[in-house]
This record gives sequence, C-alpha cells and structure tokens, in this order.
Amino acid sequence: DGGITQSPKYLFRKEGQNVTLSCEQNLNHDAMYWYRQDPGQGLRLIYYSQIVNDFQKGDIAEGYSVSREKKESFPLTVTSAQKNPTAFYLCASSRWDRDYEQYFGPGTRLTVT
Amino acid sequence: QQQVKQSPQSLIVQKGGISIINCAYENTAFDYFPWYQQFPGKGPALLIAIRPDVSEKKEGRFTISFNKSAKQFSLHIMDSQPGDSATYFCAASIRGNTPLVFGKGTRLSVIA
Repeated sequence: DGGITQSPKYLFRKEGQNVTLSCEQNLNHDAMYWYRQDPGQGLRLIYYSQIVNDFQKGDIAEGYSVSREKKESFPLTVTSAQKNPTAFYLCASSRWDRDYEQYFGPGTRLTVT
Repeated sequence: QQQVKQSPQSLIVQKGGISIINCAYENTAFDYFPWYQQFPGKGPALLIAIRPDVSEKKEGRFTISFNKSAKQFSLHIMDSQPGDSATYFCAASIRGNTPLVFGKGTRLSVIA
C-alpha cells in the first residue's frame, strides 16, 4: 500500500516545548515538502527537500527545522521560537522532474497551549 | 511574480449546477497547473492537472480550461453534487524546478 503517512494525527504540546512531526513516504519520490494550513490562509510552504541531505526554506521557515537523512523520511521540528505553532501541518512528496505530480499526506493537527 | 490569485473565496451552487473557480498567475514560466480538492480534516487530493500545451482537459465531471494569453485557468465542475462540497485549491509551478505555488482556496458548498 503506497502513500504518505503522517503521525500522529493529533498532537498537543505546552508552550515552550519543541515538537517533531513525522512524515514517511514509500512512493520513491525524490522531493518532500512541509506546508502549514491556517483557516483562510491556504497552504504555506515551510521547507522542501529535493534530495537527501539537502533542503530549502519556503515562505515561512522561521521557527521550524527539518532534516532529510533518508529518502523516505522528512521530519519537521516545530521549535519554541515559532510564535503561533497551532495549525494543521501537511507533508507532501513528488518526483522532481517533468513528470511532477505532488501528493499530500493526511496531516497532523498540532495544538499548543 | 510567484503568486497565484484564486477567486471566489466561497461559492454556493445548486445541485446539478455548474461550479466555476478561477485562477490567475503572473509568472509566464509556469508550465504545470494542478487543482486539488480538500475535505475538512484531510490532506488535499490531486484532482486534475493541465500543461500549457493544451487549452482544456476533462476528467469526468471536472474540466480545466486554460488561457495562456490571459494567464488564467479555471476549474469547471459539471452537474455539481453535495459530495463535491469541499475546498478547492489551484496551484502552479515550473516542473522539475520550483515547488507548487498555491492559491488561497475556494470553499464550495453544493446545496440540494
């Protein structure tokens, strides 16, 4: 069964704590992405990675960090420096060539109080 | 230059009617234009996509119309059904070169 998995579906944290969101794909895709979704804001790109051991900042990278040690995995850490971390976080993956199609995971809803 | 502007923000359509969502872009280098459908609490699902070498693409009740000279593309949902009620996002990119740039979304409600 191929696809993108994100865990957990719901995550609750206290303010000031770092938290890591998991994203795994078995589609053999080169590129992976993290988006943040807030009501009325659409999808905003946090980070993306075209290849293992390399990643690029998106539009709203401040307060977040990522790593890409394996092709299948692209974890996102929401640090205590992120001012408003409560949001719906979406991971996606795609090929990085002319046959580009991007697919999303089911998302993780993070609530920080 | 990187923006994709989507309208309307929300749309209410009668069952059986045609839903039309529009997007406009500035970057003439964009060469891939997908549409995504998202239900509440779920990740967006790729619905249909078009490349600028064609003016229209149809898959079932969903059609993308593309106007390269006007730098606009639109999604038409024929015979809209209550099950089509969702948020729709348009996007654009340069394939193999840039990530997708998304519009802000259109919340569609199809009422009986």
